[in-house]
Amino acid sequence: QKEVEQNSGPLSVPEGAIASLNCTYSDRGSQSFFWYRQYSGKSPELIMFIYSNGDKEDGRFTAQLNKASQYVSLLIRDSQPSDSATYLCAVKGIQGAQKLVFGQGTRLTINP
Amino acid sequence: NAGVTQTPKFQVLKTGQSMTLQCAQDMNHNSMYWYRQDPGMGLRLIYYSASEGTTDKGEVPNGYNVSRLNKREFSLRLESAAPSQTSVYFCASSWASGPGYEQYFGPGTRLTVT
Repeated sequence: QKEVEQNSGPLSVPEGAIASLNCTYSDRGSQSFFWYRQYSGKSPELIMFIYSNGDKEDGRFTAQLNKASQYVSLLIRDSQPSDSATYLCAVKGIQGAQKLVFGQGTRLTINP
Repeated sequence: NAGVTQTPKFQVLKTGQSMTLQCAQDMNHNSMYWYRQDPGMGLRLIYYSASEGTTDKGEVPNGYNVSRLNKREFSLRLESAAPSQTSVYFCASSWASGPGYEQYFGPGTRLTVT
């Protein structure tokens, strides 16, 4: 089992709809969770991070964490074509190590 | 502030050649990292430096060496390049290596080994 798993997609969502991106992780002791966005040919940029169970909202983005199910998700409301990118889930604290472990990324396409 | 800078942006090497990838940050961060990104594999950690004067292996260190030259600079060396090292290399930095600290990424170096 991979330490951090994402559906690689592609995920296609119509403009204005909600895009839902999911990530599972293997280590129940993981401490912090990050969502990065990466446009084609560019470097990853941080969108959100979350440490506690529940939801965290920032503008059109909501991160959801369920530690009991070892599941973290990112919701994008009112999706725009500019949201088309690869979204990387990253987890810190796997097996106690203070290193980020990345999932393989989900490619999201917003269709006008 | 330039953030995290990397040189070169592109490089083509022949098998067996050596080269050093340079990374510098101007955010006064303590921790620095080198990743490689291959299609469908996400980002994998090669080496990291939690603070000036320390370096540690990541997930895929074989074939690479690093030097934390000072607080600002962290270089990655390929002593004898192999086609399997064809990848995009990203340097990143963070204030510290603990759970609460986000990493900022440089623009990347696209390396092809023929």
